Amino acid sequence: QITLKESGPTLVKPTQTLTLTCTFSGFSLSTSGVGVGWIRQPPGKALECLALIYWDDHKRYSPSLKSRLTVTKDTSENQVVLTMTNMDPVDTATYYCAHLLYYDILTSYYHSYFDSWGRGTLVTVSS
Amino acid sequence: QSALTQPRSVSGSPGQSVTISCSGTNSDVGGYNYVSWYQQHPGKAPKLTIYDVSKRPSGVPDRFSGSKSGNTASLTISGLQAEDEADYYCCSYAGDYTLVFGGGTKLTVL
Repeated sequence: QITLKESGPTLVKPTQTLTLTCTFSGFSLSTSGVGVGWIRQPPGKALECLALIYWDDHKRYSPSLKSRLTVTKDTSENQVVLTMTNMDPVDTATYYCAHLLYYDILTSYYHSYFDSWGRGTLVTVSS
Repeated sequence: QSALTQPRSVSGSPGQSVTISCSGTNSDVGGYNYVSWYQQHPGKAPKLTIYDVSKRPSGVPDRFSGSKSGNTASLTISGLQAEDEADYYCCSYAGDYTLVFGGGTKLTVL
């Protein structure tokens, strides 16, 4: 069973850097075909994919936020960390991490979907 | 990499069928058979409902089905039930390890 949990501050001030940690179990980020995504959702708005990190350390970022985002993985600790610099009130959102299946080594099929999600953590940006 | 286009809202009565569209380009929806759909109830995390355009994960009722034609994917919910009222998001692989979401559709069961 795959589980993910987001952790980090619930309140940050404008211009500060946000650091969120996704701690997961039930899979390893060293397994071929696996990834973790960070997705956010401002109140009442749509999902937005912020960053993806794959087993082979490929990283992808939202083009509009690329300059502010960094994603890293700690395979031994089963954690993925997202940092976002220069936070602004418009960054107030629920931040989710999710397990991404890119390639199934058992079936040799490619996919690309999020099959397990954390519960999310609400981050408010306010002075 | 622009967000996929979904209708903001759809509605239907219990027992009816509704279809939610998801329009993209040749670089995402039209270029790959890796469209997924997520159901999200208020205050909850999204839940995978359809993957690889038309496949259902274990536990998802067969009332939910997916399809694709050209650059547009669709999610159809037949035999609408009250618990289907939720927000629905499409997502597509867009090449080079990237994914893009749609803007979301609010389904109201009348």
